Amino acid sequence: LAKTTQPISMDSYEGQEVNITCSHNNIATNDYITWYQQFPSQGPRFIIQGYKTKVTNEVASLFIPADRKSSTLSLPRVSLSDTAVYYCLVATNFGNEKLTFGTGTRLTIIP
Amino acid sequence: GAVVSQHPSRVICKSGTSVKIECRSLDFQATTMFWYRQFPKQSLMLMATSNEGSKATYEQGVEKDKFLINHASLTLSTLTVTSAHPEDSSFYICSAGRGGTAVRDTQYFGPGTRLTVL
Repeated sequence: LAKTTQPISMDSYEGQEVNITCSHNNIATNDYITWYQQFPSQGPRFIIQGYKTKVTNEVASLFIPADRKSSTLSLPRVSLSDTAVYYCLVATNFGNEKLTFGTGTRLTIIP
Repeated sequence: GAVVSQHPSRVICKSGTSVKIECRSLDFQATTMFWYRQFPKQSLMLMATSNEGSKATYEQGVEKDKFLINHASLTLSTLTVTSAHPEDSSFYICSAGRGGTAVRDTQYFGPGTRLTVL
């Protein structure tokens, strides 16, 4: 399993775009990248998944450079409700493969 | 989307008693389910992999006789914390995937169970 490295914490003001970068130098050819969001006392929630280039959905964008050794989760115009811990994970088959959660990034949105 | 539920959401018990936590996939079948434990301000730690119809696979350092896992059907896995002690107090989270190697999928996490052992 590829190890991931993220900043431990980040602060941002409401309304700004937030970019959280994850490093995964040992990513394998068949690995995908998935980001999860976790609020206190809740289970993690899927945000976005990608393999290369750019993926966008209704809540976030995921940018993956050509070498795939890193990825950046972009949250547009954050609000207070985006305060949470964000985890970046790398795996070949997220459906039935055991996952190793790193420290995650604790994002705090400031009013 | 796929939904995973857990029951109970919160439980308080006395030291020495056993507690059972249920994890259900509500709208899909899950061949494999996972159990995690999370202490305050820490990340999720995988405890075991639960496979329907077979014995669970435990991570190193997790006592299989203390944390009994039963995956009796494709929609239900249970975790029983036997002879619970205060140090077992934690947030327990299960997850399930729809499985299959040809499907780019994700794991769906339950809402978690807060266990407090007095």
